[in-house]
Amino acid sequence: DAGITQSPRYKITETGRQVTLMCHQTWSHSYMFWYRQDLGHGLRLIYYSAAADITDKGEVPDGYVVSRSKTENFPLTLESATRSQTSVYFCASRAPRGASYNEQFFGPGTRLTVL
Amino acid sequence: AQKITQTQPGMFVQEKEAVTLDCTYDTSDPSYGLFWYKQPSSGEMIFLIYQGSYDQQNATEGRYSLNFQKARKSANLVISASQLGDSAMYFCAMREDSGYSTLTFGKGTMLLVSP
Repeated sequence: DAGITQSPRYKITETGRQVTLMCHQTWSHSYMFWYRQDLGHGLRLIYYSAAADITDKGEVPDGYVVSRSKTENFPLTLESATRSQTSVYFCASRAPRGASYNEQFFGPGTRLTVL
Repeated sequence: AQKITQTQPGMFVQEKEAVTLDCTYDTSDPSYGLFWYKQPSSGEMIFLIYQGSYDQQNATEGRYSLNFQKARKSANLVISASQLGDSAMYFCAMREDSGYSTLTFGKGTMLLVSP
């Protein structure tokens, strides 16, 4: 399927466990992003990537790790989950400057609960 | 200081009426873009409209228009002829074109349209 997908869509885990959220896009967009959405905060940027093997921290990176070995995938790992990481996580992608520069496409989101 | 401010946590409007959702922004970057996204109760992020800082005219997309007042640093979304399906959370976002051009979001406004 064309577009941007996230898996799993729902995840319940326990404090201290490692969790990886997957993001896959089929457009070959160079830019990819991870956001978390919490009530009262809107969407906050966790990490972003300008290309394969190029990643950088956003506003709230603590407790998260990313990698980007392939252009189409951008997994987000919570190395040791905490209750404060209970949130809805959105992956997004965007083309570099050019025709589609003004569109940022979002995945459907992953709802993560840390008990 | 917040880069994007949405001062209306919630708005109510009757069907077929117009409604304005407020957004103010703060940037020193001369080149930037302003976005509005809709998030219905199903959770997905839907792109509505974009305005570039150098665009001379206000952006319009169907029933959506963006009232861009550069000197006042405001980018209000106007929805004409509201429909029941417009009930959703609305987010204003800004992209500063220096660096990697990530999006910064406001905290959102919940719009409820009544029959």
